[in-house]
Amino acid sequence: GAGVSQSPSNKVTEKGKDVELRCDPISGHTALYWYRQSLGQGLEFLIYFQGNSAPDKSGLPSDRFSAERTGGSVSTLTIQRTQQEDSAVYLCASSLYRAAYEQYFGPGTRLTVT
Amino acid sequence: DQQVKQNSPSLSVQEGRISILNCDYTNSMFDYFLWYKKYPAEGPTFLISISSIKDKNEDGRFTVFLNKSAKHLSLHIVPSQPGDSAVYFCAAIIRGGADGLTFGKGTHLIIQP
Repeated sequence: GAGVSQSPSNKVTEKGKDVELRCDPISGHTALYWYRQSLGQGLEFLIYFQGNSAPDKSGLPSDRFSAERTGGSVSTLTIQRTQQEDSAVYLCASSLYRAAYEQYFGPGTRLTVT
Repeated sequence: DQQVKQNSPSLSVQEGRISILNCDYTNSMFDYFLWYKKYPAEGPTFLISISSIKDKNEDGRFTVFLNKSAKHLSLHIVPSQPGDSAVYFCAAIIRGGADGLTFGKGTHLIIQP
């Protein structure tokens, strides 16, 4: 079956511009997670959704970051007024439900802010 | 402050031998641990997990050992195969908590022929 898909796979943007990253989870998975991996670092947790709601947004790096999920499926991570330190690979994962801790990852979106 | 640490950035092992990847954690609230494997330009792939109530879990060539008193876990791969060459991430989570997985920085495993 289809895995987690993310788009775009690569995005180069100028500092100060807004970007939208999209995630399509595995069909039927109710929990969805966003992570990012900066160069030489491990994966950093950003936010998770159970259904359409995100119980805790404190993992988002700044108020320039926002995320939403509609219809219990597709999620969008938006970064406003991008900065060079936002350059990273942004990874999305999904799991059958919140208590199923084995998460399945998409291929990621590589964001480069110039 | 890193709560999950993988102190070996890389490890080289001969094909057919045992690969042992190590991971230490500092947060005693973590109660579920996972190992992921990652190839370049792909997302991490789930390998194996272990609950804090167990000290060993085995799945084919992969075995994870957990030593709670030492806050240490390890992944054993026997026998190592060329396709095992990848970056391995250790991850931990507090079940019922509000966060996602907390990852280490990874160990690059290289299997030599």
